[in-house]
Formats: sequence, structure tokens, C-alpha cells
Amino acid sequence: KNQVEQSPQSLIILEGKNCTLQCNYTVSPFSNLRWYKQDTGRGPVSLTIMTFSENTKSNGRYTATLDADTKQSSLHITASQLSDSASYICVVSPYGGATNKLIFGTGTLLAVQP
Amino acid sequence: DAGVIQSPRHEVTEMGQEVTLRCKPISGHDYLFWYRQTMMRGLELLIYFNNNVPIDDSGMPEDRFSAKMPNASFSTLKIQPSEPRDSAVYFCASSDKYSNQPQHFGDGTRLSIL
Repeated sequence: KNQVEQSPQSLIILEGKNCTLQCNYTVSPFSNLRWYKQDTGRGPVSLTIMTFSENTKSNGRYTATLDADTKQSSLHITASQLSDSASYICVVSPYGGATNKLIFGTGTLLAVQP
Repeated sequence: DAGVIQSPRHEVTEMGQEVTLRCKPISGHDYLFWYRQTMMRGLELLIYFNNNVPIDDSGMPEDRFSAKMPNASFSTLKIQPSEPRDSAVYFCASSDKYSNQPQHFGDGTRLSIL
């Protein structure tokens, strides 16, 4: 069973619109939760990192939220741009000795159309 | 500031051949990670090093896979003999010593085994 589930699998939105991507996880306890952006043909790039005690973290037009009680996170993209077209991956870092063994979701593929 | 550098970017070879993937991490980073990405399974951790020492290789699929880090600025991932099911994108990433810091990914090696 995948410990990090993302939805939707894919999403198409118009340029300028907002969107929200979801992540549900079962990893417990965890050290931190990360969102990565992966452009086609490139490696993932870190957007945000939140510890279990943080509720929200922003990086420009990207805002991540975390609800540790329900084990859910979301990534909100404001005023989308064509360059936001990419795969967005939710990643959980387990607590303790396995902190560096990140657990990856399978990603949400976002397409922003003009 | 140079990021993680991987070579080659693309590799096409025949089944049974030896394949060597190379990685130069970001200078000063203590950790180096090798990942494999496929459509079916997403990103999977193969092995990671701390200060050039392999810490966890539990993700290495078979004895055909081996990884080395002879010094702080270079690592290799070798597959011998290669098989068609090894076809994937292989990423190298590095991070500093703090677990709440992002892993910085290279742009990957796209490997095709015919």
C-alpha cells in the first residue's frame, strides 16, 4: 500500500486560475512533509518543507498546508502561469533513523493552458 | 552555483552490457542519494551515502546493482549485467547534514536497455 497518496492524478486549468493539489499520507510518526515540482525532463525541485508542528508554508505563489491530525496536506497555486505546468510530488520524511529515506507520492500532473 | 551534475543524460545499450552512471554532488553536502523513477512506481530510493559511506542500500533491487562513492565529489551507480526492466530515469541527489533541508536533484540519466 502506498504510504503517500496524491489526488488528482492529473489536472488541467486555465492560466491565471488557482488550483489545489491534495496529499494523504499514512507515514507516522514523520519528521517533515515536502512538496517538490518536477518539470518534464528535469529533476525534482523543492518547493516547501514543513515539520509536523507547522500548519502552512509559502514559497511565492505556492502555499502548502498541513493537518497532522487528519494526515493531509495540500498545495495551493495562486494565479497559475504556463510555467507551472509540471508534476507536483508530495514527499514524507519518516521520523527517527530513517529520516533520510523519503517516501514519495506518485505525483499530480498539472497542465496550465493559455 | 553548480547543482548536482549527472552524466550521461541519456544512455541506450543492449541487454547484458555494463552501465555506469555518474554523479557529482553539490560541494559541501554530506549526503548523496541514488533514486530510480518509473511511470509505474514513481521515485524509489536505491541507496544513500553519508560522508562517502553507504548507509542504506536496502532499495538496491538486485546484486546486479552496485554503487560507490570514492570521494566527496563523485559517485557511480553500476548495473552489470543490464536488463530491459532496468530501463528508467536514474536521479542522483545531495543534501547537507540537516534532515530538514531539501535534497537537491540532478537532471537524471534516462536509461534504455534494449
